[in-house]
Amino acid sequence: AQSVSQHNHHVILSEAASLELGCNYSYGGTVNLFWYVQYPGQHLQLLLKYFSGDPLVKGIKGFEAEFIKSKFSFNLRKPSVQWSDTAEYFCAVNAAGTASKLTFGTGTRLQVTL
Amino acid sequence: EAGVAQSPRYKIIEKRQSVAFWCNPISGHATLYWYQQILGQGPKLLIQFQNNGVVDDSQLPKDRFSAERLKGVDSTLKIQPAKLEDSAVYLCASSSPRVLGEAFFGQGTRLTVV
Repeated sequence: AQSVSQHNHHVILSEAASLELGCNYSYGGTVNLFWYVQYPGQHLQLLLKYFSGDPLVKGIKGFEAEFIKSKFSFNLRKPSVQWSDTAEYFCAVNAAGTASKLTFGTGTRLQVTL
Repeated sequence: EAGVAQSPRYKIIEKRQSVAFWCNPISGHATLYWYQQILGQGPKLLIQFQNNGVVDDSQLPKDRFSAERLKGVDSTLKIQPAKLEDSAVYLCASSSPRVLGEAFFGQGTRLTVV
């Protein structure tokens, strides 16, 4: 069975600070990896995704994530956060090459202070 | 393109009552998912449809939950009778056969059972 662990439940950063959110997954096959973001009062939106190829993927709003296969990790990074990045971030995984369900982590609430 | 539409946005019911949620996926998306998101947790799949057929309903509490997608487009999710622990956000998502695995989410329906 698939599982996803997000290590940080609540992160508070000042504007311009660097961000790294941890994500580890457990799955016995090839995976697709995703980070979704949910801004207050809005729906889940795709931030970035990894299907294959370059393990460093870039997403919207300056976010990037690195897939490290040997560590089963897909950590999310941003060099300098903005107040508007305040949101909940979810890491998710599903089986590569399929339309199978997404398995989500429990989410990390990011609060960016001015 | 129009996103995934869900209604209602909010619903408050008493325990043992019934409730139904509606979802209209993105046009052309053959795969439709219903997820349940309990406060403080990541979304969890309830049921997945491929066109009008069920692909995965292993996590659906079938004694009280039911879902249908009769014409392979719109879908309804019903709870009867509701329990207090059903209080959650119910998310509908859809995905395209052209980009397997990437799901687009609706705004969700926030259900409160009192």
